[in-house]
Amino acid sequence: DAKTTQPPSMDCAEGRAANLPCNHSTISGNEYVYWYRQIHSQGPQYIIHGLKNNETNEMASLIITEDRKSSTLILPHATLRDTAVYYCIVKKLYAGNMLTFGGGTRLMVKP
Amino acid sequence: NAGVTQTPKFRILKIGQSMTLQCTQDMNHNYMYWYRQDPGMGLKLIYYSVGAGITDKGEVPNGYNVSRSTTEDFPLRLELAAPSQTSVYFCASSYSTGGGETQYFGPGTRLLVL
Repeated sequence: DAKTTQPPSMDCAEGRAANLPCNHSTISGNEYVYWYRQIHSQGPQYIIHGLKNNETNEMASLIITEDRKSSTLILPHATLRDTAVYYCIVKKLYAGNMLTFGGGTRLMVKP
Repeated sequence: NAGVTQTPKFRILKIGQSMTLQCTQDMNHNYMYWYRQDPGMGLKLIYYSVGAGITDKGEVPNGYNVSRSTTEDFPLRLELAAPSQTSVYFCASSYSTGGGETQYFGPGTRLLVL
């Protein structure tokens, strides 16, 4: 699976949009981009995933560049409860492929 | 749905003791996983299963065993506990579809080996 690069930490003001970047320059054509987050001491939580089109759900939006070498997770109106470590993961779609969690980005939402 | 449940929530073991971490999911997912997370680190895959009766090793399987006799349950066994196994253990399950695979995680079991 392709490796990902994320900034180790980011701050965001409450109520503002949080834009979390991820580089995955070696991504292959059949690899999806997934985003999970882990709020302190809890199990990771799925946020969103995409292949090449932009995606939106009730939690966030995922913007994938046309060359698919990078993506941005957008939390449109960050709240204090969005403070967490956010993981960008690239993986193929086949049985048994593990999620490889790197360092992630520690997002701190401040009042 | 309760989702993925894990027991116990916290356990202290002495070196050399054994224990089983329980994991159950009620979503009829065919895939199940065990991860461990050391302090300040990302998760590492220990074992996974693609269905009842089928298991396979992940990245860090040494010192652990698993079984999958039913779709719902995926217990993780530690035979001879060592301090290096002090960690938080997460169980997860998923159902693969043509549009991608989403893993659902349990709340974790915190294990301390002294």
